[in-house]
Amino acid sequence: KQEVTQIPAALSVPEGENLVLNCSFTDSAIYNLQWFRQDPGKGLTSLLLIQSSQREQTSGRLNASLDKSSGRSTLYIAASQPGDSATYLCAVNWFSDKLIFGTGTRLQVFP
Amino acid sequence: DGGITQSPKYLFRKEGQNVTLSCEQNLNHDAMYWYRQDPGQGLRLIYYSQIVNDFQKGDIAEGYSVSREKKESFPLTVTSAQKNPTAFYLCASSVGQREQYFGPGTRLTVT
Repeated sequence: KQEVTQIPAALSVPEGENLVLNCSFTDSAIYNLQWFRQDPGKGLTSLLLIQSSQREQTSGRLNASLDKSSGRSTLYIAASQPGDSATYLCAVNWFSDKLIFGTGTRLQVFP
Repeated sequence: DGGITQSPKYLFRKEGQNVTLSCEQNLNHDAMYWYRQDPGQGLRLIYYSQIVNDFQKGDIAEGYSVSREKKESFPLTVTSAQKNPTAFYLCASSVGQREQYFGPGTRLTVT
């Protein structure tokens, strides 16, 4: 069964820390992987999309890596800020019309 | 501004009533999706459509119906057959299997 797992479910860090969010997936034959941010009561904002042929993507302070052989992706956030507090979701496309989502990591960055 | 709109933001209904959630996009995307989000769970796919006048069931289609008469619009009807309709509903669109973009969501409460 194709599944996506995100650990930990919640994370609390002081402002300024560099942090890593983890996403693991069964079945390495993915088409692409997408990271999203969700603020409470809001829709999802796309952060980064990594195609299966790519190893990483960067946008500002965010860097997402992909290791298909180990079934893992990480989202690296540099110099975290209170405004980064949100839930971060990972979703995988396995050559289908559908995305399979993890349950997310709820991040709190405190001043 | 290009984007996806969902209306209304909050919706309250009595048990036994059907209700229709609106989703409109002006991104010229062919594919549109409906997801349901419950606390502590990942997003689950209800229905999706790759082209006008065609749509497919997702993982939890029972008790829901959709139509796709226009490229820009993909309304979702929550019928009285849906046993647990109270949830946060999210609409998304994409170009094929590429990056998905989400609307702001509709929170439905059925009492």
